[in-house]
Amino acid sequence: QSALTQPASVSGSPGQSITISCTGTSSDIGGYNYVSWYQQHPGNAPKLMIYDVSNRPSGVSNRFSGSKSGNTASLTISGLQAEDEADYYCSSYGSSSSSFVFGTGTKVTVL
Amino acid sequence: QVQLVQSGAEVKKPGASVNVSCKASGYTFISHGMSWVRQAPGQGPEWMGWISAYKGKTTYAPKLRGRLTLTTDTSTTTAYMELRSLTSDDTAVYYCARGTITFGPGTIFDYWGQGTLVTVSS
Repeated sequence: QSALTQPASVSGSPGQSITISCTGTSSDIGGYNYVSWYQQHPGNAPKLMIYDVSNRPSGVSNRFSGSKSGNTASLTISGLQAEDEADYYCSSYGSSSSSFVFGTGTKVTVL
Repeated sequence: QVQLVQSGAEVKKPGASVNVSCKASGYTFISHGMSWVRQAPGQGPEWMGWISAYKGKTTYAPKLRGRLTLTTDTSTTTAYMELRSLTSDDTAVYYCARGTITFGPGTIFDYWGQGTLVTVSS
């Protein structure tokens, strides 16, 4: 199962909105409504930000939202803040290997 | 609060095995599963496998099948990961991550341990 494809970097100014894409295939993202997104600050463990495409766990800011169309999922961060600067990874189940696959990762920079 | 506390860093020689533990607290251990995820330096996460804390049922990533064994001890609410025949490609930070009680497309990783660095070097 190949890694899901994400842009290497995305940047924005404080207060702006940015969107990170995550492209897979019909065997993973396109086949299930179960995409998750994780935020990872340097030296820390990943933190779940979105699950089941668009659901936020308790405690996660509503500035984070998720969506999916076909084989591509997206994470949008609105009202960008300095604390949002981190690496972001998408994840989906892949039927071809009956296992989970993560994205290549996107570094978000707040200008 | 949910906490997953992992054992300390390990340095191993090629061909050796490594065991990493993950002590869970703050929730009903047998009501959830546990996944293991590793992350090589500068790389994205890689899912390794999942175990049901209740029945010990396991699912492994195809590339690690045969070298990886996941177990749990319900009496101490601890999950264990053993990886054998180590090579330099296994150098990574290893995480335990709480998951749903059953394994499938809807499994999410909602709480993570702090990570354990495993270095494989001669």
